Amino acid sequence: GESVGLHLPTLSVQEGDNSIINCAYSNSASDYFIWYKQESGKGPQFIIDIRSNMDKRQGQRVTVLLNKTVKHLSLQIAATQPGDSAVYFCAENIPGNKLTFGGGTRVLVKP
Amino acid sequence: DTAVSQTPKYLVTQMGNDKSIKCEQNLGHDTMYWYKQDSKKFLKIMFSYNNKELIINETVPNRFSPKSPDKAHLNLHINSLELGDSAVYFCASSMTSGSSDTQYFGPGTRLTVL
Repeated sequence: GESVGLHLPTLSVQEGDNSIINCAYSNSASDYFIWYKQESGKGPQFIIDIRSNMDKRQGQRVTVLLNKTVKHLSLQIAATQPGDSAVYFCAENIPGNKLTFGGGTRVLVKP
Repeated sequence: DTAVSQTPKYLVTQMGNDKSIKCEQNLGHDTMYWYKQDSKKFLKIMFSYNNKELIINETVPNRFSPKSPDKAHLNLHINSLELGDSAVYFCASSMTSGSSDTQYFGPGTRLTVL
């Protein structure tokens, strides 16, 4: 239940500050990456994606950075708001395979 | 209207029972999925159907049987429920079966097996 969910890596951030959520992916052949946001009691919701031929992509208040050398993906949220409190998942696509999700990071926004 | 909907939202049942979860998408997508999310929030794909045909079948006990009557519906039937089946089950859909297509998730069905 939720008490086990609290063992997720957790990022506490002050409202208005920027958040950075990190993700290490497993396969150097992965060509597409997605960040999902999951609010309590809801399904994962697409935030932003990036293909492996890019190293940065920006959305509204969010930026995804991809470092293929070290197989690292990050999600930056600018001016974090209470509505940003959620669990964030990265997912990687390996060509010819299925989308594989990472373990999730919980973001708690403090007012 | 909800894009991907699931029923029921909550399901509490006894070990050994058989239960079904239903999923419908009104996005006109060709591909639908079932995922299981455990108590640690880990999301793992179980099945994927493209135009009513099974294309992904992960290592899932054969007590789990998906059924797709048409490409807008993907139901999950579970026989002889066990305690370890307790989880949140998410349905998702995408335009095609290409794994770089964005997947849209339903609200989830929380299954509790007593």
